[in-house]
Amino acid sequence: GAGVSQSPSNKVTEKGKDVELRCDPISGHTALYWYRQSLGQGLEFLIYFQGNSAPDKSGLPSDRFSAERTGGSVSTLTIQRTQQEDSAVYLCASSLAGTGNTIYFGEGSWLTVV
Amino acid sequence: SQKIEQNSEALNIQEGKTATLTCNYTNYSPAYLQWYRQDPGRGPVFLLLIRENEKEKRKERLKVTFDTTLKQSLFHITASQPADSATYLCALRTSGGSYIPTFGRGTSLIVHP
Repeated sequence: GAGVSQSPSNKVTEKGKDVELRCDPISGHTALYWYRQSLGQGLEFLIYFQGNSAPDKSGLPSDRFSAERTGGSVSTLTIQRTQQEDSAVYLCASSLAGTGNTIYFGEGSWLTVV
Repeated sequence: SQKIEQNSEALNIQEGKTATLTCNYTNYSPAYLQWYRQDPGRGPVFLLLIRENEKEKRKERLKVTFDTTLKQSLFHITASQPADSATYLCALRTSGGSYIPTFGRGTSLIVHP
């Protein structure tokens, strides 16, 4: 597709369940980012993938959060044993190379934990 | 600690006027600074990038300035229109090391007809 695609666009889950959020970056983009945005808050960095390098996981808030990127393309963010404080918009972005110069965001996955 | 500060109060202006938004930072040595627009329920959209050795950048009705001495960037929208109403985010990337932009919280702009 032309842009970064995320799914699902909306997810309501019960506390304690696991969720998976998917990101399909722009074709040819080697860098992929996950950010989180809570209501009225700024973008909080979660994890960064660049090519075949080890991901930068320094933003993951706890060991319940993990992400992988298969084949240098699609990425999945997994949240285990969800908590209410995990409710937020999870934004994926990609860029052409690992420079961070211009990153292109998807529309986000809105997660609500009830 | 490192901080990026944008005015949390919404900026209300009249159509046709120039909107000026501010991004201040502390304890950063940014290689470049970016401005993004975010509409409600949407992902941010890139607008402009300015490098540390550039003073000013323009794109159509948009102008960005970057003062590394004051540690401040100003974002101007001239001849503002109600369609410019959105939240505007600044993002910094530091020299060397991480390629991960850090974002401010954004300032909401409301342009009244």
